[in-house]
Amino acid sequence: EVQLVQSGAEVKKPGESLKISCKGSGYSFTSYWIGWVRQMPGKGLEWMGIIYPGDSVTRYSPSFQGQVTISADRSISTAYLQWSSLKASDIAMYYCARMDEDDYGDYRGFDYWGQGTLVTVSS
Amino acid sequence: EVVLTQSPGTLSLSPGERATLSCRASQSVSSNYLAWYQQKPGQPPRLLIYDASSRASGIPDRFSGSGSGTDFTLTISRLEPEDFAVYYCQQFGTSPWTFGQGTKVEIK
Repeated sequence: EVQLVQSGAEVKKPGESLKISCKGSGYSFTSYWIGWVRQMPGKGLEWMGIIYPGDSVTRYSPSFQGQVTISADRSISTAYLQWSSLKASDIAMYYCARMDEDDYGDYRGFDYWGQGTLVTVSS
Repeated sequence: EVVLTQSPGTLSLSPGERATLSCRASQSVSSNYLAWYQQKPGQPPRLLIYDASSRASGIPDRFSGSGSGTDFTLTISRLEPEDFAVYYCQQFGTSPWTFGQGTKVEIK
C-alpha cells in the first residue's frame, strides 16, 4: 500500500528554523516526483515545488524560491521541506504529494497525499 | 506562470442535481496536463480526474472531465451528499504547477 506519512504539527517562534518530513512507503520512492503544497487557513492550495528523489532535481514556484528548501534522502525514502527563518505568514498546513506517471512517463496528477503538517508560528 | 481561474466561486445545489465547474487557463495547458481534486474539511485533496478527462482509480463515474487548451470542465452528473466539498483544478504542463483558487459546492 502506497503511503506518505508526514511529521507532526509544529509550533515555532518567528525567526526559528524548521524542517518537516514526508516518508514514502509501498512504492519505489526514487521513481516519482514528490511535491509540496501549502494551504493557509481557510484558503486554497498553492504549489510550492517538487523534487525527484532519484537525482534530487528540484523545481520551485517563483513565489517560494528562496523562502524554503526542498530536499530528499533516498536512503530513508523521505522528502523534506525546510525554513531557515520562519515568519507569521508561514502559518499553514503543508502537504506532500506524489506525482503519478504512466508507463510512458506522462504525468497523471498527485495521486497520493500525506496527511498534512500544521505549522504554527507565534511569539 | 499559467494562471487558472475557476468559476463559479460557490455553487449552491441540491442532492441529485448536476454540477458544472469551470477552469480557465491563461495559456494553453501543455499535453492536457490538467487534473481535478476534491477536498473535504480536515482532509488532504483527493485526485478525481487527470489528463483533463480520465477518471482516477476508484472515482465514481458520475464525475467526468472535459476540455482542452485553455477551457476545462468538471461535471458531477447527480450530486450525492458526500460530493459537497471544494474542488480544485491543477495544471502540470508548465512549471510552476499551479492550482486554481477552488470552487465550493455547497448544499442549497
